[in-house]
Amino acid sequence: GAVVSQHPSWVICKSGTSVKIECRSLDFQATTMFWYRQFPKQSLMLMATSNEGSKATYEQGVEKDKFLINHASLTLSTLTVTSAHPEDSSFYICSALPLVGTDTQYFGPGTRLTVL
Amino acid sequence: DQQVKQNSPSLSVQEGRISILNCDYTNSMFDYFLWYKKYPAEGPTFLISISSIKDKNEDGRFTVFLNKSAKHLSLHIVPSQPGDSAVYFCAASSGTYKYIFGTGTRLKVLA
Repeated sequence: GAVVSQHPSWVICKSGTSVKIECRSLDFQATTMFWYRQFPKQSLMLMATSNEGSKATYEQGVEKDKFLINHASLTLSTLTVTSAHPEDSSFYICSALPLVGTDTQYFGPGTRLTVL
Repeated sequence: DQQVKQNSPSLSVQEGRISILNCDYTNSMFDYFLWYKKYPAEGPTFLISISSIKDKNEDGRFTVFLNKSAKHLSLHIVPSQPGDSAVYFCAASSGTYKYIFGTGTRLKVLA
């Protein structure tokens, strides 16, 4: 149980384009999902907290207009990197907090974004 | 300001022996702690957690110890197996479900 998927697992795009990453909780409902970013050999940095049916809460220093988050249902959150630039290249990971039963976040497998 | 620190970037242990991974934190408001295991290019996998009302939690080969006065937690893996080789992250939260992660420790279990 507690499986979280991400799609795509990797994506290469040209500078200036937008990329959408999906995060799905497959066998549970989650009112709250989180988006993290990890640079090579560094820790996971929380970017934003996504709540179903409401606006996401962004961490300090994260541009909300650049990283658009939509949490349309209890099992799906999307992160859109708009007008991507090479410095946005990173490993993006989502997590989901089950609606009931635990305080533990379950993580997706991550999406490797490379912007040329 | 790194609120959660893992001061050992790497650790090598012989198969069958005990692995001890350490984590220190600075925020006394943290009340929930977790350990995750991560392979390259994959998401973290939950291992074990502990709330601040406990000082020990055990699950199979994994035991987490929490010393609140020292603001220190540790993960013990015994016996260590080659499949345990990965990067281990500790994480802490303070009731908001927002996790603060440490920088990770790369464990290598030698056969």
